Amino acid sequence: AQSVSQHNHHVILSEAASLELGCNYSYGGTVNLFWYVQYPGQHLQLLLKYFSGDPLVKGIKGFEAEFIKSKFSFNLRKPSVQWSDTAEYFCAVSPYRDDKIIFGKGTRLHILP
Amino acid sequence: DVKVTQSSRYLVKRTGEKVFLECVQDMDHENMFWYRQDPGLGLRLIYFSYDVKMKEKGDIPEGYSVSREKKERFSLILESASTNQTSMYLCASSLQGTLAKNIQYFGAGTRLSVL
Repeated sequence: AQSVSQHNHHVILSEAASLELGCNYSYGGTVNLFWYVQYPGQHLQLLLKYFSGDPLVKGIKGFEAEFIKSKFSFNLRKPSVQWSDTAEYFCAVSPYRDDKIIFGKGTRLHILP
Repeated sequence: DVKVTQSSRYLVKRTGEKVFLECVQDMDHENMFWYRQDPGLGLRLIYFSYDVKMKEKGDIPEGYSVSREKKERFSLILESASTNQTSMYLCASSLQGTLAKNIQYFGAGTRLSVL
């Protein structure tokens, strides 16, 4: 069965630190890849997505992610985090031609002011 | 903007009660989903509907049923609520077809407590 693994359950950083959240998936075929974010008290929203083309994708609020096919990875990065990035981040995978998305267990990111 | 509206933000029910969670989307999406979100477990799919009156079980359908009588509305039903169904429930919708790329749009969630 397909699965998504997020490496860290809880990350604490100071403002201006660099961020990298790891995500690996298990599926041998073509996939669509997502990072979703849930800010405190808000609904889950799309942060960025990869469908095809350039493996380095940029999303909102300065986030980017890199798809490395050989490693089945889609890590999320941000060079300098802000207190407002405090949220829970979910990596998600959707096999091509499948309407369902498989979510990872999430990473709670806490930014210290 | 896509809007997915869940009827209640907070709900408190007693064990054994029948519970209805309602979800409405305004973008004519074919697909609708119900997830539950628990700390450390991420989002787990309960049921999925790809058309009116059509449904498919997700990963954790036990204890739940769904109803989709109209395209814009997808209801989750707890036939006899139990304490282990205390959770955050999220509804989502998406367009069908490969061009839609499976982007799902989420409601604000319903936090259900079963006492």
